[in-house]
Amino acid sequence: GQSLEQPSEVTAVEGAIVQINCTYQTSGFYGLSWYQQHDGGAPTFLSYNALDGLEETGRFSSFLSRSDSYGYLLLQELQMKDSASYFCAVRVDTGGFKTIFGAGTRLFVKA
Amino acid sequence: SAVISQKPSRDICQRGTSLTIQCQVDSQVTMMFWYRQQPGQSLTLIATANQGSEATYESGFVIDKFPISRPNLTFSTLTVSNMSPEDSSIYLCSVEDLPGQAFSYNEQFFGPGTRLTVL
Repeated sequence: GQSLEQPSEVTAVEGAIVQINCTYQTSGFYGLSWYQQHDGGAPTFLSYNALDGLEETGRFSSFLSRSDSYGYLLLQELQMKDSASYFCAVRVDTGGFKTIFGAGTRLFVKA
Repeated sequence: SAVISQKPSRDICQRGTSLTIQCQVDSQVTMMFWYRQQPGQSLTLIATANQGSEATYESGFVIDKFPISRPNLTFSTLTVSNMSPEDSSIYLCSVEDLPGQAFSYNEQFFGPGTRLTVL
């Protein structure tokens, strides 16, 4: 089976840096994705790591260590609009590609 | 990128009835997925719908309960059959960009969801 673990909730202040960790246990692993979802909205893609290392996209960075089955999403210069749920998701091939989502981390950004 | 629409956006249904949710994509896509999400919870994959073949269901989901059609590369339907209050959820259609290129850019696009309430 597939399992992912991430914190349920994180609180930070505007302008700060926050890191959301994700550990996974899975078979047929290909890569780790991160999605953002605001209340009432659809999930939107943030990043994808297939290889070890850091990927940077503006204020957001994502890291993967395949040997540790671990990744994280780093959000810098936090803004109020970053308050949302963040999901890590594993891309797996178990006879066909699919994406399995973690439980999500609720981020609260305070002024 | 892909723009996805779903119909209906929401519905309130009586137990024992069925509801068919439509998903329309503005471009041809190979892989389409159906997810279920309780408010404030994670997304649970129901099935993968590929054109020209039967849908592949995840553990805990069966075709009799959630029949899926995929008549072409831009359209799919999910039916929630013989509904009970436990089926109350948000149902999301999703498509994948650049399918099969697992070691490169990979992104899924989601529709706005269908909020289903079963009384």
